[in-house]
Amino acid sequence: GESVGLHLPTLSVQEGDNSIINCAYSNSASDYFIWYKQESGKGPQFIIDIRSNMDKRQGQRVTVLLNKTVKHLSLQIAATQPGDSAVYFCAAYFTGNQFYFGTGTSLTVIP
Amino acid sequence: EAQVTQNPRYLITVTGKKLTVTCSQNMNHEYMSWYRQDPGLGLRQIYYSMNVEVTDKGDVPEGYKVSRKEKRNFPLILESPSPNQTSLYFCASSLNRGNEKLFFGSGTQLSVL
Repeated sequence: GESVGLHLPTLSVQEGDNSIINCAYSNSASDYFIWYKQESGKGPQFIIDIRSNMDKRQGQRVTVLLNKTVKHLSLQIAATQPGDSAVYFCAAYFTGNQFYFGTGTSLTVIP
Repeated sequence: EAQVTQNPRYLITVTGKKLTVTCSQNMNHEYMSWYRQDPGLGLRQIYYSMNVEVTDKGDVPEGYKVSRKEKRNFPLILESPSPNQTSLYFCASSLNRGNEKLFFGSGTQLSVL
């Protein structure tokens, strides 16, 4: 079946440093990707998305990079803050009207 | 405020006792979906709906039912819950089709004893 995975289950960074969270997907036909942030006890919160006709997209303090050749997605968070501590996961949309989700990377920001 | 609302947030029940988890969105979205989230696994889709009266199975539909009689509501029904359905459930919606930004509810933690 389709799979979406994250490279590291946990990541710790110093406050102010940049964070990079990675994700790999299996289906080259996937054409839409989303990064979500999930805080404890809350639902997933949309961060940023990217379609397959792009390889980079920037938001406020966040950048998503898409490498379709190796089927890899990354989320970069600039100047990481304590409020960024959460679980981050990627979602890849495959034909068949559904997303497949990674298991998540738990980001801890050390003050 | 645009949102997806699920109720209840927490539910403890016993095996075999029918239950319904409600989901409502106020964004006039056509697409709605239910997921379960279990430790060590990514979100897995249970059922989805492309529009009113149109529902389809996701990856893990066994033991669940849904209905979409109105655009805003998409309840999840467990006719005879079993302990393996203990999980964290999320409802989500998007404007149309499925490859658009998905908005999630706050979740329903279900425990089946």
